Amino acid sequence: DIQMTQSPSSLSASVGDRVTIICRASQSIDNYLNWYQQKPGKAPKLLVYLASSLQTGVPSRFSSSRSGTDFTLTISSLQPEDFGTYYCQQSYSTPFAFGPGTKVDIK
Amino acid sequence: QVQLQQWGAGLLKPSETLSLTCGVYGGSFSAYYWSWIRQPPGKGLEWIAEVNHGGPTNYNPSLKSRVTISLDTSDNQFSLKLNSVTAADSGVYYCVRGATYSSGRGDIWGQGTLVTVSS
Repeated sequence: DIQMTQSPSSLSASVGDRVTIICRASQSIDNYLNWYQQKPGKAPKLLVYLASSLQTGVPSRFSSSRSGTDFTLTISSLQPEDFGTYYCQQSYSTPFAFGPGTKVDIK
Repeated sequence: QVQLQQWGAGLLKPSETLSLTCGVYGGSFSAYYWSWIRQPPGKGLEWIAEVNHGGPTNYNPSLKSRVTISLDTSDNQFSLKLNSVTAADSGVYYCVRGATYSSGRGDIWGQGTLVTVSS
């Protein structure tokens, strides 16, 4: 099975800051990588699919890129509504594992 | 606008069978993959299984011996059964719509069902 790791596990940043979250796959997953945002008590929300495609309706301050088996989610200018936990998920082969999550707090 | 509405028993005793159903409203059913994902309290997300009309079902090997996912195309519903539950199966269970080629891209989620396993 493919394992996913994320770093950092948590971060605190100010409104307007540039925020970067890294996700690493244990083996090649091509571009089959999704990013989700989850707020407390809510279902996750798809932000990015196929490594860099922004889901409809997601603000353009979110972007994602790939370098080998490393994937980066960037929030170019953090907004108050961006708090929550961010998860990556590989969709290359079943079981479609998730990373452990990165909790983002607003300072 | 596609919506997923899920229901099922929220309180189970150890060794009982978890049974959840997800209704799909407002969109195509047969074209997509459908899956169940769970989240233990305070923890991360775990993919459980996927199903597609006319395609194979796939299960997480860690749960495969206890899980069944099925479709009811006449009612636009899909279901999850997990037998011999223990406290480790407690958490929020989500039904999820995937893409047309796999369940790996979950773009629409149900509201979640909190399942508690306790004697």
